[in-house]
Amino acid sequence: KAGVTQTPRYLIKTRGQQVTLSCSPISGHRSVSWYQQTPGQGLQFLFEYFSETQRNKGNFPGRFSGRQFSNSRSEMNVSTLELGDSALYLCASTYAGGAANEKLFFGSGTQLSVL
Amino acid sequence: AQTVTQSQPEMSVQEAETVTLSCTYDTSESDYYLFWYKQPPSRQMILVIRQEAYKQQNATENRFSVNFQKAAKSFSLKISDSQLGDAAMYFCAYRSGLHNQGGKLIFGQGTELSVKP
Repeated sequence: KAGVTQTPRYLIKTRGQQVTLSCSPISGHRSVSWYQQTPGQGLQFLFEYFSETQRNKGNFPGRFSGRQFSNSRSEMNVSTLELGDSALYLCASTYAGGAANEKLFFGSGTQLSVL
Repeated sequence: AQTVTQSQPEMSVQEAETVTLSCTYDTSESDYYLFWYKQPPSRQMILVIRQEAYKQQNATENRFSVNFQKAAKSFSLKISDSQLGDAAMYFCAYRSGLHNQGGKLIFGQGTELSVKP
């Protein structure tokens, strides 16, 4: 069974541009969550999608958005990039995310560098 | 709001020895789960162990065990017989027991563990 796949692995953008990151969950998983990891702020929850609907949201500005498709694949978009958006973006999937005892499976992340 | 604190940015252990990583958390909820994740240089987060708050018994997974002190809101990880492959960043994490919160984890700042041969 394939794991959580994130593409691309690395990305370099310049300030003001926008970027789209992709996450394919484990087959059968319907919940996809996104996290931002930086040396200063650590790991922070961005949002969670379930059945194409945003179910939970972290404390990030509106420049950060996401969506989920009918096959559960998810994308996150960051518009008007700032230097502080440079981070490792991790995606995690779980079957439904409704119960706290469900195991979360993480991808290897996309490393975004904003110049 | 819930918070998770790891006060040890770095720890070091000799191979085959035992090390304990500390974690404290703050919550007003009674139902929650606590986790320890390992992040090696490959960057992929790997679940090490988890503890249900309603269980008094401390969780154990092979060489990994936790000391869960609910009243003190403390959740430490003990690694016995440390191996070179244990070297990684370790994160303590909290997940609410409320329904439909399963995808949301609150992480501590992490502890970088090095293992000396």
